[in-house]
Amino acid sequence: DTAVSQTPKYLVTQMGNDKSIKCEQNLGHDTMYWYKQDSKKFLKIMFSYNNKELIINETVPNRFSPKSPDKAHLNLHINSLELGDSAVYFCASSQGGGGALQTQYFGPGTRLLVL
Amino acid sequence: AQSVTQLGSHVSVSEGALVLLRCNYSSSVPPYLFWYVQYPNQGLQLLLKYTTGATLVKGINGFEAEFKKSETSFHLTKPSAHMSDAAEYFCAVSANTGFQKLVFGTGTRLLVSP
Repeated sequence: DTAVSQTPKYLVTQMGNDKSIKCEQNLGHDTMYWYKQDSKKFLKIMFSYNNKELIINETVPNRFSPKSPDKAHLNLHINSLELGDSAVYFCASSQGGGGALQTQYFGPGTRLLVL
Repeated sequence: AQSVTQLGSHVSVSEGALVLLRCNYSSSVPPYLFWYVQYPNQGLQLLLKYTTGATLVKGINGFEAEFKKSETSFHLTKPSAHMSDAAEYFCAVSANTGFQKLVFGTGTRLLVSP
């Protein structure tokens, strides 16, 4: 059973399009995260939700909008895609309120290529 | 604010040799420190973490790391490399209070040759 799953695994699209990436976790965790890994492998947090409430919102263009329909799902919608959005996007989850002691479990990533 | 510096974007070792991956951190508060591993085309997996207590931390797959406050370091070691250890390794730091915002280093690719 996959603990943290993401769909799609690969996404190739044109500049200007709107796309969504979905994440689901079956670990019963209360906190979920989105990370972006660029072409140089640099990994940076974008958002974090705890029980469907936004708790971390880094400096991310407002073209990126996370949505959490329930605590097991955290989707990422991206409007007006740009070349610079090409990256691998990772979803993660952790127990409790996202406190520092909790281990984050990562999904396999979604590889987004904007042409 | 926290930050992490990983020295060496690539480290090459022979199978059976010692693995040493370097990580130095900066933190304005007592840190929690982590090592994650990323195998090709996979997500990150936690290897080990330091929170409080014993400064030598043992993780999975025979890896360990030592927290040295005086040197602001958290280097990752393994006595004997296996081919299966070839992967990208990320050091990360977070504050020890509040929400866990992991700040990652730029990663070190470990290459293991026969």
